[in-house]
Amino acid sequence: AQSVTQLDSQVPVFEEAPVELRCNYSSSVSVYLFWYVQYPNQGLQLLLKYLSGSTLVESINGFEAEFNKSQTSFHLRKPSVHISDTAEYFCALDGAGSYQLTFGKGTKLSVIP
Amino acid sequence: DGGITQSPKYLFRKEGQNVTLSCEQNLNHDAMYWYRQDPGQGLRLIYYSQIVNDFQKGDIAEGYSVSREKKESFPLTVTSAQKNPTAFYLCASSITGGLLNTEAFFGQGTRLTVV
Repeated sequence: AQSVTQLDSQVPVFEEAPVELRCNYSSSVSVYLFWYVQYPNQGLQLLLKYLSGSTLVESINGFEAEFNKSQTSFHLRKPSVHISDTAEYFCALDGAGSYQLTFGKGTKLSVIP
Repeated sequence: DGGITQSPKYLFRKEGQNVTLSCEQNLNHDAMYWYRQDPGQGLRLIYYSQIVNDFQKGDIAEGYSVSREKKESFPLTVTSAQKNPTAFYLCASSITGGLLNTEAFFGQGTRLTVV
C-alpha cells in the first residue's frame, strides 16, 4: 500500500516571506512524486514532478522540491511568495506500476499582504 | 486548444435520481480517471480506464458507474446508491496508464449538489 501525508492543512505566510509545504510518503516500491496546485473551483495543474535523476526539481514560477529517499519526503519550497501563490497544493505519488496517483489531503497556502 | 472538458460546471440533483457527468478529452490520451474531492480529504479515485472498453474500480467505486466506449470520452454516472454524492468531481487523463514519464491533466471539475 502507498500513502501520502501532508503535515499541514493550512499555512499562512506574509508576502515575500519564504514558505515550505511538507510532504511525506510511504511506499514499498520505487516512486514518482508530484506537486499539483489548485485555485478555487478549478481543476489541478501540475507544478513539478520527480521521476528520476536530480533530486532537486524546479517549476517555472520559482517553486522547488527535493526528493529525499532516506526521509521519504518531497517538501515544496519557495524563497519569496507572492499573493498569486494563494491556492491549495497537493502532493501526489505514483508507485511504479500502480496505474494511479495517490494524493495527500492538501495544504492551503494563504499569502498575507 | 487541447484539453479536458467537464460539463456541466455546476449540477443539482434530487435525492434518488441518477446523474451523469461528462468528461471529454482531445489530447489523444489512453488513460482517463475520475476523482472525488471533499474538503480536507484530498482526491480519492473512483474509477480509471487505461484503454477503450476497459475500466477498473478505484478506492471508492460504490454507487458510481462508468463507460469507455470512445477514447475521447469517459462519462461518470452517480447513481441513487451513492449515499453522499455531494462533492467536487474531477476528471483527468494521461498518455499512458502507468503515468510513467508523464503527468495527469485535469478538467475544471463539476460541483454536484444533492438537494
